Amino acid sequence: AQKVTQAQTEISVVEKEDVTLDCVYETRDTTYYLFWYKQPPSGELVFLIRRNSFDEQNEISGRYSWNFQKSTSSFNFTITASQVVDSAVYFCALGVWWNTDKLIFGTGTRLQVFP
Amino acid sequence: EAQVTQNPRYLITVTGKKLTVTCSQNMNHEYMSWYRQDPGLGLRQIYYSMNVEVTDKGDVPEGYKVSRKEKRNFPLILESPSPNQTSLYFCASSLSPPPTFSDGTYRYNEQFFGPGTRLTVL
Repeated sequence: AQKVTQAQTEISVVEKEDVTLDCVYETRDTTYYLFWYKQPPSGELVFLIRRNSFDEQNEISGRYSWNFQKSTSSFNFTITASQVVDSAVYFCALGVWWNTDKLIFGTGTRLQVFP
Repeated sequence: EAQVTQNPRYLITVTGKKLTVTCSQNMNHEYMSWYRQDPGLGLRQIYYSMNVEVTDKGDVPEGYKVSRKEKRNFPLILESPSPNQTSLYFCASSLSPPPTFSDGTYRYNEQFFGPGTRLTVL
């Protein structure tokens, strides 16, 4: 079975701090995809990144970076120099090759960045 | 603009009063699905449709119905809403089946999410 665990329910930081959101996944498939979505207070889901299981390169996009480690089944997300606008709920999700139309979501991590 | 639209965006209703949440996409996607989001549970799939007149249950289908009479539309129907269906609902669409290239590589079809419908059942 597939499963995504986001053990951190809520994280609070002060602006300019770095923060890492953890994501651990379970799947027996060798071909799968991992995602991060941001859900701001307005409620919509904002796609941040997709990673496939064959690409373990870390990725950096501005203040965002992602660390994919198959050995520990983790796909962690780091925000450097956090800002108030980063306050949101962040979801990690897993998609498997044989059912790409269904995403298995974690329970989300609520990030609050205080000025 | 490629998008998935949902209506209404907000709805407050009472127990037992039938309602429909509409979902429409303009990308000619075959696959559409509905998710519900609840605190502490993340998003869970309710129903999905692989094409016109083809629908199937997701993980939490109880109390919901869907129909897919047209490719672009995938309404979610609550025949007799109950308070435990108070939730945030998302519609999503993607191309399906995913193409497999001759060299064996596989391309993931992106899922596009609607803006969400916040439903409260009193």
